Amino acid sequence: DQQVKQNSPSLSVQEGRISILNCDYTNSMFDYFLWYKKYPAEGPTFLISISSIKDKNEDGRFTVFLNKSAKHLSLHIVPSQPGDSAVYFCAASAIRDDKIIFGKGTRLHILP
Amino acid sequence: GAVVSQHPSRVICKSGTSVKIECRSLDFQATTMFWYRQFPKKSLMLMATSNEGSKATYEQGVEKDKFLINHASLTLSTLTVTSAHPEDSSFYICSAQTSSRVNQPQHFGDGTRLSIL
Repeated sequence: DQQVKQNSPSLSVQEGRISILNCDYTNSMFDYFLWYKKYPAEGPTFLISISSIKDKNEDGRFTVFLNKSAKHLSLHIVPSQPGDSAVYFCAASAIRDDKIIFGKGTRLHILP
Repeated sequence: GAVVSQHPSRVICKSGTSVKIECRSLDFQATTMFWYRQFPKKSLMLMATSNEGSKATYEQGVEKDKFLINHASLTLSTLTVTSAHPEDSSFYICSAQTSSRVNQPQHFGDGTRLSIL
């Protein structure tokens, strides 16, 4: 059973517009959430994270929103740029547990 | 499909011991496997990339003689932590890729929690 779900395998967004990537989780013990970005033939690179005590974290063009009651988080990228084309992984870890549970990823295509 | 099995899931051993971690692609052939290390509440750190039949490519700052990686077949890569010390305690995770072509998904194992006493 998937504990972290990214239900959209791919997403296409026009350059300059906002990209919104969604993630749902089932384990109420998760208290720390991360987004990773991955280019082809490279390992995932850390993008942004959020603790469960917050509902929003912003870093430049990237903002992560957390809705604990809905067990949902989203990553907003604005404005979207061609270099943002990549696979984005949502991940979560539980209280007192080092293990990260990843979603299966969403491939983002930024269209010119 | 696309299952990656990592074994063991947890290891507790004494300082000075060498520990081998296996990463297997169960239902596909993995031309490339990645080894990561994760510290508590921190980002995943890529340690090395291994391609079947060739030497692994290590990231900067990763000791090659400390972390031996072997990718002997298209379904198996191993990471051996040699003469492990408490500072090597961490969470190690592998992932596998089906092809060297672009836009191929990477499939992760469930990780190995290594504790050195």
